[in-house]
Amino acid sequence: AQTVTQSQPEMSVQEAETVTLSCTYDTSESDYYLFWYKQPPSRQMILVIRQEAYKQQNATENRFSVNFQKAAKSFSLKISDSQLGDAAMYFCAYIGSNYKLTFGKGTLLTVNP
Amino acid sequence: GAGVSQSPSNKVTEKGKDVELRCDPISGHTALYWYRQSLGQGLEFLIYFQGNSAPDKSGLPSDRFSAERTGGSVSTLTIQRTQQEDSAVYLCASSLAPGQTHNNYGYTFGSGTRLTVV
Repeated sequence: AQTVTQSQPEMSVQEAETVTLSCTYDTSESDYYLFWYKQPPSRQMILVIRQEAYKQQNATENRFSVNFQKAAKSFSLKISDSQLGDAAMYFCAYIGSNYKLTFGKGTLLTVNP
Repeated sequence: GAGVSQSPSNKVTEKGKDVELRCDPISGHTALYWYRQSLGQGLEFLIYFQGNSAPDKSGLPSDRFSAERTGGSVSTLTIQRTQQEDSAVYLCASSLAPGQTHNNYGYTFGSGTRLTVV
């Protein structure tokens, strides 16, 4: 079964600085997708960025980018120029052939002014 | 609708009572998923619908949990004889098709129902 591990329960960053959230996963599949979701206090899961496993190029969405290392099964999220609105719980997620999103336990990000 | 709608937003119930949680997916989305998020935990898969059928209900924690979907749209998650360990946020998500991620960038989630069993 696929598993997703986020080893940092909490992280903090100063406003305007850069922070990296870690994620590793375990799978025997070769074709899959990886995601980072943001969950603010409103509870709604908001998609931040996604990565197709067959693409070698790291995905980027404005201030958010990933470092995807397929061989190492690592998928970290880098947030540049952190803003107060980035404070939230961040979840790494995997989806393969069984159509189920599998989530890590999350990293609570605090942004200090 | 424009997004996934869940009701109620919050529900407090007494131990032993039955509860129904509702999910109204995005119009046209054939796949619908229920997840449970307990305090300090990630999201735990409960059940997946394709149309009105549930090909995968492997995540339902006990026979007190059931779900149905009618008209390929609204879904109801029912918990019978609620227990305190059922307290959690129940999240619903929908997508165009099972595992469809190409055109809609992953699943769209609702804001969840926070269930508190006292």
